[in-house]
Parts: sequence; structure tokens; C-alpha cells
Amino acid sequence: DSGVTQTPKHLITATGQRVTLRCSPRSGDLSVYWYQQSLDQGLQFLIQYYNGEERAKGNILERFSAQQFPDLHSELNLSSLELGDSALYFCASSVGRGTGAKNIQYFGAGTRLSVL
Amino acid sequence: AQSVTQLGSHVSVSEGALVLLRCNYSSSVPPYLFWYVQYPNQGLQLLLKYTSAATLVKGINGFEAEFKKSETSFHLTKPSAHMSDAAEYFCAVSHTGTASKLTFGTGTRLQVTL
Repeated sequence: DSGVTQTPKHLITATGQRVTLRCSPRSGDLSVYWYQQSLDQGLQFLIQYYNGEERAKGNILERFSAQQFPDLHSELNLSSLELGDSALYFCASSVGRGTGAKNIQYFGAGTRLSVL
Repeated sequence: AQSVTQLGSHVSVSEGALVLLRCNYSSSVPPYLFWYVQYPNQGLQLLLKYTSAATLVKGINGFEAEFKKSETSFHLTKPSAHMSDAAEYFCAVSHTGTASKLTFGTGTRLQVTL
């Protein structure tokens, strides 16, 4: 168990809908990262938050947004869903905000999103 | 931009045989390199990491990897495969600077046969 909790485990929804994925980081970790894993794109970094502030942005669509709350949990909001958004969404957490020997990312089990 | 390339999307070995999963990196600055494993229906688990302290890195479950700057490689090896090693393995590079996002390779699925 990595200590990173993601809910829900599975989500089935229809095109055009909006969903929210939730992530609770490991105790003491200040950074939260979101990744998308799909068959055609592989594992791609979406966005990073550190202590409530956006830190880095990757290949995140404008229809997607995220935030990190004062208690450090994070939510990834996906709107106007399309079939191609079906994927496994991972959250990871780490102690710090940058690179370094101790800034290891620990991954949750993921949320599997199916858009029908 | 930093990137990693994993050669071979599928590797099959017999139980007890050597496991060799290949990863080559591209980076203009000394990288941090990682190997993660993903078991079916699970998240990614860190196997080992290279952070410039030692070129031969030992990880969990008997895996190790050697950083070779001259070959820009970070191949993952295990002397003797077990059935429980069957999983997908990802090589990743960490961006330097203030952000620490991981850039992953496309993954190698390891099959272990009797």
C-alpha cells in the first residue's frame, strides 16, 4: 500500500458529462501529481500541485482542471467528456516540489474512467 | 526535452532465466532515472531509482539497474525470473529544475513461463 488513496476506483459515465476524481496524498506529502494512462498515449503527466499552488502543467486539456485543497487532498475535474477520455487516471504524491533523491513519487491505485 | 525509450513492448522469459529490460534515455543534463512496476489492476510501484550517487542501483525484489552514461542506458536486470515478476515495467526520467514531473517510456510487459 503506497499510502495514496484514490476514489472512486471505477467510474462509468456518458459523453458530455462531468466527473470529479479525488486523491488523498500520503501523510506529510505536499505535492500531488496527476497522470493519465491510455492505450494510445501511454502514461502522461497532466498537472502538479504543491501545497495548494499549481507547480507544473503537462498535456492537460482545457476541459480538465484540478485543485489542491488546504488539507492537501486534490481533485481532478473532467468536463464535456469524450470517448477518448476513457483511461486510467493516477494520482501520485511526494514530499517536496522539485527533483531530488528523496522526492520520490508514490502512486495510488488509479481511477478507471469509462466514457460510453 | 528529456525522454526515455524502452526497447521491446513484450519480453518473455522462462522461470529462472535472466531478465533484461532495456531503457535508453535522452537528456541534456544529468537525469534522475526510475523503474516502476505495474501489476494487473494496480498502481505503479517504485522498483529503484538512479540519482547520481552510484551507477549500479539495487532495488526491491532482486532487481537492479546500471546507469551507463556512454551508452545513455539504464537497463533493468534480474538474475533469475519468478512467476510473480510478470507485470508491466516502466522506465521514467525526472525533469530537472523546479518541477519533478516524470516522463515515462511506453512500458515493457514481462511474461514469465514455466
